[in-house]
Amino acid sequence: EVQLVESGGGLVQPGGSLRLSCAASGFTLSSYWMSWVRQAPGKGLEWVANIKEDGSEKYYVDSVKGRFTISRDNAENSLYLQMNSLRVEDTAVYYCARDVGVATTSDYWGQGTLVTVSS
Amino acid sequence: DIQMTQSPSSLSASVGDRVTITCRASQGISNHLAWFQQKPGKAPKSLIYAASSLHSGVPSKFSGSGSGTDFTLTISSLQPEDFATYYCQQYNSYPPTFGQGTRLEIK
Repeated sequence: EVQLVESGGGLVQPGGSLRLSCAASGFTLSSYWMSWVRQAPGKGLEWVANIKEDGSEKYYVDSVKGRFTISRDNAENSLYLQMNSLRVEDTAVYYCARDVGVATTSDYWGQGTLVTVSS
Repeated sequence: DIQMTQSPSSLSASVGDRVTITCRASQGISNHLAWFQQKPGKAPKSLIYAASSLHSGVPSKFSGSGSGTDFTLTISSLQPEDFATYYCQQYNSYPPTFGQGTRLEIK
């Protein structure tokens, strides 16, 4: 059974940093692109970033470029999102998701982890 | 960025009804269109990719169609568990973008 479990969310002050983790099981992580998608409270879904199977390609939405870094450790079956210079508008539930082949859409999602940026 | 517009934004229907949700892209996206279902407090669930292909385990009551800029999601014979918010997503070009969502409520 495919499982994705996020962790690392919490309350952080504006300008602070946080590192999210996603533990993958039930499939071979190294065979899939992976994504992070977020959802602000009461709002819709926003794709944040994705990363190629071997980590050689990474893409980001403009609003997080230069502040967020997606990475992975296939040996540890883990996906990460390093978030720096956090802003109030980054407050959201962050989901990790497994991508469908080479397409930038997803088939399995984690349960999400809440990041709150507030002073 | 490609803008995705869903209609209606909300929809009331009864158990047993058949409903259709529309998604329009601001430019052509071929068939690179996905649909997701989300219930309150839960993660999205993937329903359809490539406009009309069902993900494994998704019941055939869900169907998708369209190509280019206009797409539809149809749900036949609504059951209580189908009442949720539905999102479309284009993945033809970066960044992938979602529609604003359609909230399907029980009448």
